[in-house]
Amino acid sequence: AQKVTQAQTEISVVEKEDVTLDCVYETRDTTYYLFWYKQPPSGELVFLIRRNSFDEQNEISGRYSWNFQKSTSSFNFTITASQVVDSAVYFCALYNSGAGSYQLTFGKGTKLSVIP
Amino acid sequence: DTGVSQNPRHKITKRGQNVTFRCDPISEHNRLYWYRQTLGQGPEFLTYFQNEAQLEKSRLLSDRFSAERPKGSFSTLEIQRTEQGDSAMYLCASSWGVRGRPNTGELFFGEGSRLTVL
Repeated sequence: AQKVTQAQTEISVVEKEDVTLDCVYETRDTTYYLFWYKQPPSGELVFLIRRNSFDEQNEISGRYSWNFQKSTSSFNFTITASQVVDSAVYFCALYNSGAGSYQLTFGKGTKLSVIP
Repeated sequence: DTGVSQNPRHKITKRGQNVTFRCDPISEHNRLYWYRQTLGQGPEFLTYFQNEAQLEKSRLLSDRFSAERPKGSFSTLEIQRTEQGDSAMYLCASSWGVRGRPNTGELFFGEGSRLTVL
């Protein structure tokens, strides 16, 4: 069985603050992929990042950074110097490539509100 | 715009009626997925097509639900005898991949079709 937990349902920050969105996953497979997607009010999920289970290097892309730790089964997402445009629901997702399935398992999402 | 297109964007129907949603994927994508998202939840997988073949269906896809992708391009999702519990956002996504190879690439999602069953 696989599961993704995003314990933070809603977070509010003031513009320019840093914010970290938590993601904890469960899987029995050794080969898997983790994703973060952003869902703005328009409803369309936008891909942010993919990480495979063999690559624990942290990644930075502009104001976004991701911290992947297999030891704690976590894949956390940090936004530095948040902006109002970052307001959205963020989803963490898991894909087990060895399971013969093509489905992504999503967490329940974290709604981020950035207040000007 | 060459993204994933879904129609209609909103549908309100009475319980017991049939509804059909259409998805036009990105033209060069051979994989197509349907997901369902209810309020406050993450998307849940419904079904997957590789070209015109439906290769995977979730337990969530009851016998009232049927999806097709007749020519390997657009897809339709039909819900028969709708129930109030079917109220949700129905999301379509597409990607490209070799048949039999796992799905490790990003999915491109449409803006969804919101269904309200009264």
